[in-house]
Amino acid sequence: GDSVTQMEGPVTLSEEACLTINCTYTATGYPSLFWYVQYPGEGLQLLLKATKADDKGSYKGFEATYRKETTSFHLEKGSVQVSDSAVYFCALRNTGGSYIPTFGRGTSLIVHP
Amino acid sequence: NAGVTQTPKFQVLKTGQSMTLQCAQDMNHEYMSWYRQDPGMGLRLIHYSVGAGITDQGEVPSGYNVSRSTTEDFPLRLLSAAPSQTSVYFCASRMGTSGSTDTQYFGPGTRLTVL
Repeated sequence: GDSVTQMEGPVTLSEEACLTINCTYTATGYPSLFWYVQYPGEGLQLLLKATKADDKGSYKGFEATYRKETTSFHLEKGSVQVSDSAVYFCALRNTGGSYIPTFGRGTSLIVHP
Repeated sequence: NAGVTQTPKFQVLKTGQSMTLQCAQDMNHEYMSWYRQDPGMGLRLIHYSVGAGITDQGEVPSGYNVSRSTTEDFPLRLLSAAPSQTSVYFCASRMGTSGSTDTQYFGPGTRLTVL
């Protein structure tokens, strides 16, 4: 079945450092890929998405590129802020089978001033 | 739009009690889901619905019931609460299954403690 694997956290960075959170997936067909973010005490919200190979999703400095050859969708940001501290979830929704999205376990990011 | 709303925000139950977690959305979304979030476990799907009158089980349905009598509402019922059901519960909805409609919208969550 479909699965998503994220790097374990917490990831601890200083403000203005570069961020990479690794995400790889296993799926049949041609899934759509997502990154969701959960700020403390809140529900998840969409950060970015990509629907086909080589697409790049981006939002407010965050980027992720859909790499079909490596089955990856790593999240990157060039300069993190304290306000980016949150839990980040990678997810996929397989268009070739179930419409139920599959989530990774989440990666906690802590950014220090 | 209010989006996805959940009530209550916090709840403490005693073992064996029953209760209903409420979820409503005002976006006319067909698809709705309930997840629980536990430390180190990520999100686990409890039940989901693809439209009014249609529900199905997810990964961890035991001890929970759902119904979908309207498009807007998707309540989750705990039949006889157990300490293992202590968790944060999220309701989510989305419009459809195509690339432009499959973004999930989440509620703020209900934090449940079972003593």
